[in-house]
Amino acid sequence: DIQMTQSPSSLSASVGDRVTITCRASQSISTYLNWYQQKAGKAPNLLINAASSLQSGVPSRFSGSGSGTDFTLTISSLQPEDFATYYCQQTYSSPLTFGGGTKVEVK
Amino acid sequence: QVQLQESGPGLAKPSETLSLTCTVSGGSISSDSFYWGWIRQPPGKGLEWVGSIYNSGSTYYNPSMKSRVTISGDTSKNQFSLQLTSVTAADTAVYYCATSFNWGLFEYWGQGTLVTVSS
Repeated sequence: DIQMTQSPSSLSASVGDRVTITCRASQSISTYLNWYQQKAGKAPNLLINAASSLQSGVPSRFSGSGSGTDFTLTISSLQPEDFATYYCQQTYSSPLTFGGGTKVEVK
Repeated sequence: QVQLQESGPGLAKPSETLSLTCTVSGGSISSDSFYWGWIRQPPGKGLEWVGSIYNSGSTYYNPSMKSRVTISGDTSKNQFSLQLTSVTAADTAVYYCATSFNWGLFEYWGQGTLVTVSS
């Protein structure tokens, strides 16, 4: 199985901050990497697929980059509605696996 | 827009079988355009893929649960179902059904249903 490791597991930030979350795969997954946002009590919401392709309707302050084993999700200017948990997911091979999540909290 | 809704018992006894159904609207489970999947999330923990079904017949399971999982489709009701046998407390989780046009991607999600395994 491909292991997905996110860092940090949590972070505290303020509105307007630039936030970067890292996801590392245990082997190369090309750009078969997706990012989800999950708010408390809700289903995850797909933000980015194929490492850098923004889903329709997702604000442009979100961006993704990377290939191979190292990936990043960046929020350029954190907004109040962005406080949530973020997960990466690989679709390179089965079983599909997710990172452990990064909780973005209010500083 | 595809919409999904999970249903099923919220409580299962240890060693018994957990059964959930996902009712789909806005898309057909028999279509070869969609992959349909189940993902679970234990309370306070991360996401785990359980398995997926494609074109009402091809199934893909997480090897960690493969011997206990069956995913099937009912085209007449436009539903797909999850059965997980021999459950333990470790299977307590919110179970989501989800779908997308692309393998492994989950673009549309149900609201999730909590299943507690307890005697």
